[in-house]
Amino acid sequence: SAVISQKPSRDICQRGTSLTIQCQVDSQVTMMFWYRQQPGQSLTLIATANQGSEATYESGFVIDKFPISRPNLTFSTLTVSNMSPEDSSIYLCSVVSGGGRDQPQHFGDGTRLSIL
Amino acid sequence: GNSVTQMEGPVTLSEEAFLTINCTYTATGYPSLFWYVQYPGEGLQLLLKATKADDKGSNKGFEATYRKETTSFHLEKGSVQVSDSAVYFCALSGNSGYALNFGKGTSLLVTP
Repeated sequence: SAVISQKPSRDICQRGTSLTIQCQVDSQVTMMFWYRQQPGQSLTLIATANQGSEATYESGFVIDKFPISRPNLTFSTLTVSNMSPEDSSIYLCSVVSGGGRDQPQHFGDGTRLSIL
Repeated sequence: GNSVTQMEGPVTLSEEAFLTINCTYTATGYPSLFWYVQYPGEGLQLLLKATKADDKGSNKGFEATYRKETTSFHLEKGSVQVSDSAVYFCALSGNSGYALNFGKGTSLLVTP
């Protein structure tokens, strides 16, 4: 399966600042996604990163707060803007290689973000 | 909409005990079903999958069977090890695309 690298692996940020998380894959992938995992909780899909066009956001998530880029088939970024303590979470990138809805998603190790 | 319900944890077992983690789902059509595992401090790893009714996914001694009649995908292992201590997530992808719906996760602690 694809090797997924997320940077940074963790960060501690001040409220009101923004942080950009990078997701790099070692091969071209069909789909890329961004998830949030709040402390002790399950994963919630933020958006689907679309190559060359605007991301598709899930209910409760907006582009102004979580701008996403995907300039090519191997790279995507998620920015967490104007951060508050409620944004403290693990943010995970996932990818799907190949076609077919039965293809599993593979996840990066996540970015552990704490907001002071 | 689609949803996944997992048994509440934490689950604590002695080494070599039998493990069952229950997972049931609600979905239209024919979803694909997955179990993911998250070891402490790490990201999610795919453990196993099943894409149609009566399929059995298996990996590392874990098994789960896609039961459409009971809308279930319970995870089982005959003899757990301390190294199996982790959080286990059941997930599905529905007809509308690749996005996954996750259960809340079940924490497993295996003691020597």
